[in-house]
Amino acid sequence: EIVLTQSPGTLSLSPGERATLSCRASQSVTNNYLAWYQQKPGQGPRLLIYGASSRATGIPDRFSGSGSGTDFTLTISRLEPEDFAVYYCQQYDSSPLTFGGGTKVEIK
Amino acid sequence: EVQLLESGGGLVQPGGSLRLSCAASGFTFSSYAMSWVRQAPGKGLEWVSTISGSVGSTYYADSVKGRFTISRDNSKNTLYLQMNSLRADDTAVFYCAKNRWYFDLWGRGTLVTVSS
Repeated sequence: EIVLTQSPGTLSLSPGERATLSCRASQSVTNNYLAWYQQKPGQGPRLLIYGASSRATGIPDRFSGSGSGTDFTLTISRLEPEDFAVYYCQQYDSSPLTFGGGTKVEIK
Repeated sequence: EVQLLESGGGLVQPGGSLRLSCAASGFTFSSYAMSWVRQAPGKGLEWVSTISGSVGSTYYADSVKGRFTISRDNSKNTLYLQMNSLRADDTAVFYCAKNRWYFDLWGRGTLVTVSS
């Protein structure tokens, strides 16, 4: 099973700042089969990024994904008020599908 | 509107059973694999099960294998999860999600509480 470790656990930032979220895998995620999701309280997650760097339909270009192998990054270039939420990475390279523990982006 | 709507959650005693449903709309349901993902209170996400679109091949996490059964009725655009032998650690919000590998559409979830 591929274990995904996200850091930091909590990121305290102000609107307009840049957010950099990390996701590290316990073994190489081949073909960059990694996705990122955003979750707000009381809602289901929303797909942001798949294939490590491809934005899902309707996702603003301030969200970008990068990385390969075992190290992946989600960057939010300029935080908007609606971006404060919890973010999860997920690998779909091998079964079982696994998620990271999440990073909470909170208002400073 | 493209959406997934889960139902069927509730309070059940340990060892009991529950069947969850997920009504899909706004897309060709039979063309897509569908999955269940759960989230224990205050915790992260855990993949539970997936069923393919037409052939109906099924896949399960080890934690639920032998206790849960995923199924679908393409004529009703509905996904199901039959949960038997429920345990306290099955307590979670259960989400229905579209697709097999990464999930491009999620419902709002239904809460399952296993407690005596």
